[in-house]
Amino acid sequence: DQQVKQNSPSLSVQEGRISILNCDYTNSMFDYFLWYKKYPAEGPTFLISISSIKDKNEDGRFTVFLNKSAKHLSLHIVPSQPGDSAVYFCAASAGPIQGAQKLVFGQGTRLTINP
Amino acid sequence: NAGVTQTPKFRVLKTGQSMTLLCAQDMNHEYMYWYRQDPGMGLRLIHYSVGEGTTAKGEVPDGYNVSRLKKQNFLLGLESAAPSQTSVYFCASSEPTGHYSPLHFGNGTRLTVT
Repeated sequence: DQQVKQNSPSLSVQEGRISILNCDYTNSMFDYFLWYKKYPAEGPTFLISISSIKDKNEDGRFTVFLNKSAKHLSLHIVPSQPGDSAVYFCAASAGPIQGAQKLVFGQGTRLTINP
Repeated sequence: NAGVTQTPKFRVLKTGQSMTLLCAQDMNHEYMYWYRQDPGMGLRLIHYSVGEGTTAKGEVPDGYNVSRLKKQNFLLGLESAAPSQTSVYFCASSEPTGHYSPLHFGNGTRLTVT
């Protein structure tokens, strides 16, 4: 049972345009959501997060939107740059266990930015 | 400051063999984790630790054991490897402050079991 789903395995966007990556979740106990970015042969790196008490969080070119009623979040990248080409993972947490983060990850979306 | 270091980077095992994956972090993080990544599955939590001398089961713990004898090290063991354990394994750590500290990942160990 996939609690966090990224239904688009891949996305191709032209440089300078907006990239929108989507993520759906089923567990209503999730209260914190994160996006990680992963380059080949490297580990995932943290990109941006949002608490369930907010509906938007912005950090430079990256904005995450949360729609709790639809159990949906999205990551917007504006403008898209060639260095943004990577696999993006959505992750969710139902709260820390003794302070530890038990994240549930989506399958990932491979974003390719074309010049 | 190397962050999270995993060794080895690659390994090929025969079915039934055993091995240990080593994870070391130099950030003085309290919490450490082992994930596996499989195509179409995302990352799944195997085991985690909330401090030196502690371990706990994650989502997919069967076939694995872990130990956290020192705060900076988290070992993942496969006692009798199976082809289903072919995967990329990622170790991560997180800070003791704040309830939602992001995880810091190593670069992974690619394991193939034949």
